[in-house]
Amino acid sequence: QKEVEQNSGPLSVPEGAIASLNCTYSDRGSQSFFWYRQYSGKSPELIMFIYSNGDKEDGRFTAQLNKASQYVSLLIRDSQPSDSATYLCAVNPGGFKTIFGAGTRLFVKA
Amino acid sequence: GAGVSQSPRYKVTKRGQDVALRCDPISGHVSLYWYRQALGQGPEFLTYFNYEAQQDKSGLPNDRFSAERPEGSISTLTIQRTEQRDSAMYRCASSELAGGNYNEQFFGPGTRLTVL
Repeated sequence: QKEVEQNSGPLSVPEGAIASLNCTYSDRGSQSFFWYRQYSGKSPELIMFIYSNGDKEDGRFTAQLNKASQYVSLLIRDSQPSDSATYLCAVNPGGFKTIFGAGTRLFVKA
Repeated sequence: GAGVSQSPRYKVTKRGQDVALRCDPISGHVSLYWYRQALGQGPEFLTYFNYEAQQDKSGLPNDRFSAERPEGSISTLTIQRTEQRDSAMYRCASSELAGGNYNEQFFGPGTRLTVL
């Protein structure tokens, strides 16, 4: 079992729709959770982090964390073509290491 | 201000040669990470520095890989006796705080290494 698992996609949504990206992790002791966006040929950039169970909203983005289910999700409301990218879920299981998932490719159709 | 920079951006080498990849983190950032990213995959952790101290090197694949950050700023990742399987994008990231937890990482542009 991979430490951080994501559906590779591609996930295709129409412009204006809600995109839902999911991630599961294996280390129950994990404490901090991150979503990075990576455009093709570019470096990852942080868009959200979440540490506590529940929802965290930032603009069009909402991160959801359920530690009991070991599940993290990212919702993107009013999706735009510029949101088309690979979304990487990253988990810190404690210590210094950050474990990244393989990423989900998102396409937003105009 | 300036972000994380890496050099060279592209490196082509022959199998068996040594290569040194450089990372210049954001000024004042305590933490520095090295990752390797294969096409279609997420970054794979290699090693972590807190200033000059290498506090986690558990991700280095074998003893041909080493890293240093002697003055707590610029870091070098060295791969000795390169093999074709070492071909990948090598990314450096830095963060303001120490430790991996609750810590936003800023990534550099990466060095694309190709071993022929």
